[in-house]
Amino acid sequence: SQQGEEDPQALSIQEGENATMNCSYKTSINNLQWYRQNSGRGLVHLILIRSNEREKHSGRLRVTLDTSKKSSSLLITASRAADTASYFCATGRGAQKLVFGQGTRLTINP
Amino acid sequence: SQTIHQWPATLVQPVGSPLSLECTVEGTSNPNLYWYRQAAGRGLQLLFYSVGIGQISSEVPQNLSASRPQDRQFILSSKKLLLSDSGFYLCAWTSSGSTDEQFFGPGTRLTVL
Repeated sequence: SQQGEEDPQALSIQEGENATMNCSYKTSINNLQWYRQNSGRGLVHLILIRSNEREKHSGRLRVTLDTSKKSSSLLITASRAADTASYFCATGRGAQKLVFGQGTRLTINP
Repeated sequence: SQTIHQWPATLVQPVGSPLSLECTVEGTSNPNLYWYRQAAGRGLQLLFYSVGIGQISSEVPQNLSASRPQDRQFILSSKKLLLSDSGFYLCAWTSSGSTDEQFFGPGTRLTVL
């Protein structure tokens, strides 16, 4: 069964604006991760937040985690054309495997 | 540093033909290895994972099988391909016992005609 569900499925914004993507999940987790995928390529890990953390930053990325609502958000600030990609959340539950969501397709318009 | 290789990059196969996709990892020992399939515009579906040589866990019963003949080699196979086997196949690894960051290969685009 699908654990993570991203919202929205697609997002189109102007360069320089902030992009926010959300992820919801169904069961308890050890950690939640965000990955990026450029078209036709493999996934690249962006950031990991553990279940006992509420917020984490990495460069222009900010991730929040609300375990009571079983949800996470990824904020990309000051977007650039190069940020155009699909973004996936993935949840780790301690069974040495991750469950990925369906992804958000982000388009940054110049 | 660690690297992960997949080949071939693209493959076009007729229905009913066999399949063998290979994934190898360098620079690490005893990794967990994973095979995913991604349909166009969709998320990743975990197909198989392995925590050691000869140890394979199947997530979704289907027309595919996996093998791990060596510590850093993971092979995805099929005896007879179906149209529904078309997709983008990704191999990934992570450190043994971890659910932290997974490192992905470049993927194989399989088209079954």
